[in-house]
Amino acid sequence: QKEVEQDPGPLSVPEGAIVSLNCTYSNSAFQYFMWYRQYSRKGPELLMYTYSSGNKEDGRFTAQVDKSSKYISLFIRDSQPSDSATYLCAFKAAGNKLTFGGGTRVLVKP
Amino acid sequence: GAGVSQSPSNKVTEKGKDVELRCDPISGHTALYWYRQRLGQGLEFLIYFQGNSAPDKSGLPSDRFSAERTGESVSTLTIQRTQQEDSAVYLCASSLGPSRNEQYFGPGTRLTVT
Repeated sequence: QKEVEQDPGPLSVPEGAIVSLNCTYSNSAFQYFMWYRQYSRKGPELLMYTYSSGNKEDGRFTAQVDKSSKYISLFIRDSQPSDSATYLCAFKAAGNKLTFGGGTRVLVKP
Repeated sequence: GAGVSQSPSNKVTEKGKDVELRCDPISGHTALYWYRQRLGQGLEFLIYFQGNSAPDKSGLPSDRFSAERTGESVSTLTIQRTQQEDSAVYLCASSLGPSRNEQYFGPGTRLTVT
């Protein structure tokens, strides 16, 4: 069983819709939960970071963590064509390395 | 301020040759990380530096891979006797320190082994 499961997509939505992304994980040692956005041929860019169960909001982005279910989500409200990218979930235990999901490709159509 | 920079941006090499990839972290960031991203996949951890020591090398796939770092500055990832399966994007990230969880990535070096 993989440590992190993430649907590769592609996920296609019309402009203005809510984008809903999620990852499941199996490692109970993960303490920190992150979402990165990666445009084609670019490095990943940190979007959201949280360490507790519950919701965290930043502008159009909401990150949700459910530690009991080992499930994290990212919601993007009022999606724009510029949100078209690959979204990677990432996890960190007590050490220093990040463990990534495989990424979900998102396409927001005008 | 300046972000993480990497060079070269692209590298094509013949199987069996050695390659060196360079990373310049954000100024003041003491922690530096190397990851590998194969086509269509997530990132795999390779090695972590704190200052110029590497307390975690657990992700290096074989002894053909090595890395070093000068002080709290530039790092070089070297792959000897390259193989086709080494073809990937090699990404470098830095953070303020080992207790800081936010890692900031460079644009990567796309390595193609022919």
